[in-house]
Amino acid sequence: DQQVKQNSPSLSVQEGRISILNCDYTNSMFDYFLWYKKYPAEGPTFLISISSIKDKNEDGRFTVFLNKSAKHLSLHIVPSQPGDSAVYFCAAGLRNSGNTPLVFGKGTRLSVIA
Amino acid sequence: SQTIHQWPATLVQPVGSPLSLECTVEGTSNPNLYWYRQAAGRGLQLLFYSIGIGQISSEVPQNLSASRPQDRQFILSSKKLLLSDSGFYLCAWKVKSNTGELFFGEGSRLTVL
Repeated sequence: DQQVKQNSPSLSVQEGRISILNCDYTNSMFDYFLWYKKYPAEGPTFLISISSIKDKNEDGRFTVFLNKSAKHLSLHIVPSQPGDSAVYFCAAGLRNSGNTPLVFGKGTRLSVIA
Repeated sequence: SQTIHQWPATLVQPVGSPLSLECTVEGTSNPNLYWYRQAAGRGLQLLFYSIGIGQISSEVPQNLSASRPQDRQFILSSKKLLLSDSGFYLCAWKVKSNTGELFFGEGSRLTVL
């Protein structure tokens, strides 16, 4: 049973436009969510996170929105740049539960076209 | 600052041969350690995690095993590799008191022929 789902395996966006990556989760106990970015043959790097006490967190061109009632979060990248082309993983966890592993989605491959 | 290294970066092994991937973390103590595998179409699959020396939790039954002989060392092993063990293996660490951010190593590409 997949607790974290990224239903779009891939997404193509024109440079300068907005990229919206979506993620759904099923476990209502999750209270902390993260996005990771991964280039080929490299380890994922942390991008942005959000706690369940917030519905939005912004960091430069990246904004994460959380809709707890829908158990849905999204990552917005604006404006999109060619260097944003990568696989993006959504992850969910339990805040302040240091020993519980994060649960990752399958990832969405973003291609930003110049 | 903290760093994480895993090796080898690339490995080509025949079916039935043994495997040993090693991961070390520097600049922190008593971290939680993780082994993930990225296989095509399956995203990041958690294989093992460890909250302390000698303590290993297995998430997926498989042909692999893990050990933590020292606080900042995590080893992924197999006695006999299968074709299905091919993939990109990632080691990661996390501070126990942290809200959840994982720091990943560079990854190890394993091809079993």
